[in-house]
Amino acid sequence: DIQMTQSPSSLSASVGDRVTITCQASQDISNYLNWYQQKPGKAPKLLIYDASNLETGVPSRFSGSGSGTDFTFTISSLQPEDIATYYCQQYDNLPSYTFGQGTKLEIK
Amino acid sequence: QVQLVQSGAEVKKPGASVKVSCKASGYTFTGYYMHWVRQAPGQGLEWMGWINPNSGGTNYAQKFQGRVTMTRDTSISTAYMELSRLRSDDTAVYYCARPVDSYYDYVWGSYRYGAPGYWGQGTLVTVSS
Repeated sequence: DIQMTQSPSSLSASVGDRVTITCQASQDISNYLNWYQQKPGKAPKLLIYDASNLETGVPSRFSGSGSGTDFTFTISSLQPEDIATYYCQQYDNLPSYTFGQGTKLEIK
Repeated sequence: QVQLVQSGAEVKKPGASVKVSCKASGYTFTGYYMHWVRQAPGQGLEWMGWINPNSGGTNYAQKFQGRVTMTRDTSISTAYMELSRLRSDDTAVYYCARPVDSYYDYVWGSYRYGAPGYWGQGTLVTVSS
C-alpha cells in the first residue's frame, strides 16, 4: 500500500502569511493527489484535484504543485476563514484512496 | 443541486452491525460512484470504499474487507454502508461522498476519476457497551 506522509501536523501563522504544507508519497503516484479543507464539525471540502487543479469556486489564494512523490499545498495569503485542518489524498487506478494524516492550521 | 442526506446517529453495542444510508438527489444516481469515508473523534479521514450504483460493483479498503458491505437501491437513489462486528474503535462519523466529474487529462494522457467532491452531512456511530 502507498503511504502518505503529510507535514507539518500543525502550523501556526499570521493573517497575510504564506502557508505551505507538504505531502510525500511512499512511491511514485504521478499527479494523483487531491487536497481537502475540513472545518470543525463539517464535512471535508475539495480544494485541489490532481495536484494542481483548482476546484470550481475555490479562491485563487489556494494552489497545489508537485508530481511523483513530493507535493506542496500553498495558501498565498492566509485569511481568518482558512483556519481548518487540511488533508492530502492520493488515489490509484482502481480507484483506491489514502489520506494523509492532516495539518491543523491555526492563527498566530 | 447535488445533495446527499444521511441517516441519523446510531448507538450500537460491540459485536453488532450498523447500516447507514445516504439519499442522493439533484443528479443521476447511477452516473457516479459513491464513496464512504469515516473519521474517529479527533482523528483524520479514513477512506472505506466505493460502490458503483449502476452495476453494484464495489471496491473496499483492505482494512475493512470482510466487515463492510456497500449496497444501493436505485429505485430510491440511496446508497448504504453496513459495518459488522462493531468494536469501540469503530466509533466515528461516517460520510458518503460523490465524486466530481471525471475527465480526460490531455497533459498526462490519462482518464481521471473525479475526486470525492460532494459530501453528506455525516452520521455519528457510537459503539459502546
